[in-house]
Amino acid sequence: RKEVEQDPGPFNVPEGATVAFNCTYSNSASQSFFWYRQDCRKEPKLLMSVYSSGNEDGRFTAQLNRASQYISLLIRDSKLSDSATYLCVASSSGSARQLTFGSGTQLTVLP
Amino acid sequence: GAVVSQHPSWVICKSGTSVKIECRSLDFQATTMFWYRQFPKQSLMLMATSNEGSKATYEQGVEKDKFLINHASLTLSTLTVTSAHPEDSSFYICSASRRGGYEQYFGPGTRLTVT
Repeated sequence: RKEVEQDPGPFNVPEGATVAFNCTYSNSASQSFFWYRQDCRKEPKLLMSVYSSGNEDGRFTAQLNRASQYISLLIRDSKLSDSATYLCVASSSGSARQLTFGSGTQLTVLP
Repeated sequence: GAVVSQHPSWVICKSGTSVKIECRSLDFQATTMFWYRQFPKQSLMLMATSNEGSKATYEQGVEKDKFLINHASLTLSTLTVTSAHPEDSSFYICSASRRGGYEQYFGPGTRLTVT
C-alpha cells in the first residue's frame, strides 16, 4: 500500500466549477501535510499547508482529518490556470522533515 | 528569497556514460538537500537526503554507488548518475532547506534521457 494515496483522475471540469480532491495517508506518525501543484515538466510548487482546523486561501480550502487519516482540497470557481497536477504530501517528524508525495491528481479546467 | 537552481535543465547521454547534475541554493544556505526522481505519471520518489559536510542517506532500493551525491558546501549539491542506462531516464529534482527550517524549496528539475 502506498503511504499517500490519491485518485489520479483526470478531473475535467468547466470553468467556474467547484472541484474536490481527496487523499489518504497510511503513516499515522506523519506530522505535517501539504498540497503542492505541479505543472507539466516543472517542479512542484507549494500551494498550501493543511491544518486540522481547516484553512482557506482565496478559492482554495484544505482540510485534515487525523482520525481518518484523510486530507482534502477544495477549489472553488475554478480557472483555466488551475489546470495542473495536485500532489498530496505528508511530512515526517524530525529535523530532516522528509516529504512523501502522492502520485497526484490531474485537473483540467475547460473553457 | 529561497531560489534553487539546477543545471543542466535537460541532458541526453549515451548508455554507459556518467552524468553530473548540480543543485544550487542561490540566496540562502542549504544545510539539507534532497534528491528526488519522478517517472512519467508517477509520484516524486525521494532518492537521498544529504546534509552539508556529511555522507548522504539513501532511501531503500537506491544504489549509492550508482547515484553519487556530494554536498560539499552550503550552496551546492551534486548528483552523479554513473554508468547510466536507459532505465535511468527520468526527471531528477532537488530541493533544499535552511538550517532549522522545515520548508523545502525545489529546483526546476533536470530531465535525463539515456539513449
